Amino acid sequence: QVQLVQSGAEVKKPGASVKVSCKVSGYTLTELFMHWVRQAPGKGLEWMGGFDPEDGETIYAQKFQGRVTMTEDTSTDTAYMELSSLRSEDTAVYYCATESRQQLVNYYFYYMDVWGKGTTVTVSS
Amino acid sequence: DIQMTQSPSSLSASVGDRVTITCRASQSISSYLNWYQQKPGKAPNLLIYAASSLQSGVPSRFSGSGSGTDFTLTISSLQPEDFATYYCQQSYSTPRTFGQGTKLEIK
Repeated sequence: QVQLVQSGAEVKKPGASVKVSCKVSGYTLTELFMHWVRQAPGKGLEWMGGFDPEDGETIYAQKFQGRVTMTEDTSTDTAYMELSSLRSEDTAVYYCATESRQQLVNYYFYYMDVWGKGTTVTVSS
Repeated sequence: DIQMTQSPSSLSASVGDRVTITCRASQSISSYLNWYQQKPGKAPNLLIYAASSLQSGVPSRFSGSGSGTDFTLTISSLQPEDFATYYCQQSYSTPRTFGQGTKLEIK
């Protein structure tokens, strides 16, 4: 049973960076496809990036290109999401989620079935 | 990017009602459509994957249908614990994209 434990809440000033961690237990990180999704207060879910098994690489949403970096430390089974040049609009809850795949007929289907509890990041001067 | 549009944005219903939420993709996504339920202050919870496959542990009153561009999530008989926000999400291509959400409220 995969479990994801995220780091605690952060308060940052505009222009700073934040690094959120997501520790995996129950599986090794190398067996999982990790994604990051955020949710601003009162808003919907926004995909930030994640591992694309079709391409074999981590893909970032264009909106965050140049500001986000997603990394993994396989020695500790911990994934990280770092967001730089923070602004007030980045105030949100940040979730890590693993994307599983299942073969149905002749195709692989992907879905985010395990989520962390979320990390609140507040950007305020 | 594939745009996902849900309707309605909000919905009031009573316990025992049958409810349907619609999701439309901006291009064909075959059956690469997932549905999630989110309650306030909690992470999303997967309900349906591949348009119509029920995730393990999810009650059978939830069902999904559709393919191509048009999809539906149906709750056959609303229970008190079903009042939440529901999101569709496509996994046909990267970037993954979500619908804007449908908030289901008690009438």
